[in-house]
Amino acid sequence: EADIYQTPRYLVIGTGKKITLECSQTMGHDKMYWYQQDPGMELHLIHYSYGVNSTEKGDLSSESTVSRIRTEHFPLTLESARPSHTSQYLCASRQDWDTGELFFGEGSRLTVL
Amino acid sequence: AQSVTQLDSQVPVFEEAPVELRCNYSSSVSVYLFWYVQYPNQGLQLLLKYLSGSTLVKGINGFEAEFNKSQTSFHLRKPSVHISDTAEYFCAVSDRQAAGNKLTFGGGTRVLVKP
Repeated sequence: EADIYQTPRYLVIGTGKKITLECSQTMGHDKMYWYQQDPGMELHLIHYSYGVNSTEKGDLSSESTVSRIRTEHFPLTLESARPSHTSQYLCASRQDWDTGELFFGEGSRLTVL
Repeated sequence: AQSVTQLDSQVPVFEEAPVELRCNYSSSVSVYLFWYVQYPNQGLQLLLKYLSGSTLVKGINGFEAEFNKSQTSFHLRKPSVHISDTAEYFCAVSDRQAAGNKLTFGGGTRVLVKP
């Protein structure tokens, strides 16, 4: 069973607030990812990291930022949340770069009023 | 670049009936293929994967998928579904050669199992 944790699971906040979604994994995986999942279910890669101090933008442009100071931790931050940021955010990690199999957290559902 | 198309956005099916979820991909290079399941309010869980070898792949919960290279398809099947199979199902592909092997997901298929 994968050990990757996301907090908070649910968050409702007002426009303009700064928020950080936490993601931690205890598997020692080098590679970590953030996906945004719209209400229509489709997943879009917004950020990824290949290791400490490595962060890259994904396929979908996002106003969020990420950091990777420790291997196990990959937080996502929105400096000023807007209603358009309302979505589910899924964190994932993997070690086996030959196959691409991902282990996912349970997601953080963000609602911006 | 690669892409994944899941032809059915929703599939209603009666309990104990068979189900097939269709997945087609496009890629200019060799790929690895995956099916993930997402139960309500949860993250994605790997059902099965095709890496190489036999084109028929068996996964968890009685699911199987067949890789068809000529048709660039990786359809998922289960001969008899249960109520607990109600979930979203995602097909995904990764490039064997690309650094990092990022996964590209299809749009998902919602399976609703009716009693």
